[in-house]
Amino acid sequence: DAGVIQSPRHEVTEMGQEVTLRCKPISGHDYLFWYRQTMMRGLELLIYFNNNVPIDDSGMPEDRFSAKMPNASFSTLKIQPSEPRDSAVYFCASSSRTGAREKLFFGSGTQLSVL
Amino acid sequence: KQEVTQIPAALSVPEGENLVLNCSFTDSAIYNLQWFRQDPGKGLTSLLLIQSSQREQTSGRLNASLDKSSGRSTLYIAASQPGDSATYLCAVIPYNNNDMRFGAGTRLTVKP
Repeated sequence: DAGVIQSPRHEVTEMGQEVTLRCKPISGHDYLFWYRQTMMRGLELLIYFNNNVPIDDSGMPEDRFSAKMPNASFSTLKIQPSEPRDSAVYFCASSSRTGAREKLFFGSGTQLSVL
Repeated sequence: KQEVTQIPAALSVPEGENLVLNCSFTDSAIYNLQWFRQDPGKGLTSLLLIQSSQREQTSGRLNASLDKSSGRSTLYIAASQPGDSATYLCAVIPYNNNDMRFGAGTRLTVKP
């Protein structure tokens, strides 16, 4: 398996623009997690899905953030409109069976810079 | 709210040394603890997972211990190599949800 695949690897955009981050989890994994990593706050859970259904989105910072998982092999995280404080590395991770109680497999991340 | 702390924030050692990384957490009601490695510009790789009922896990030169009652875990790296240079993060997960809490990490440099 190719692992968790994220795209793009880098995204530079201007404030106010819409940003869409994409993730393909490992085939057969039931859980998908979106994390954000910053120097100030470290790694934070934004939202996670189980069998394509959002379970906990309490970590989503604002209504500007939204996430979808239309099928078992694809998820998006959208920011609209983007702001400079959204600049961070966004990671997608997946796991099987009992979610984060299993080993998590992370993608390489998307480095987002909002100017 | 669970707080995870890692000390030291950075560590530099000569090749061949044995070393210990520390992780502490404030709420002992955890399901398991994981140690991850993160290389610059890369995602996290799970190294070891310790269930709350376990005391330690070993993989090659790595040994992780868990003392749940005192809220501590250590990652022991034997005979360190330059290839071990990376940031090491610990994370705990509670019993009742999937909100894994991460420490800020220890940045390890192993000098040849």
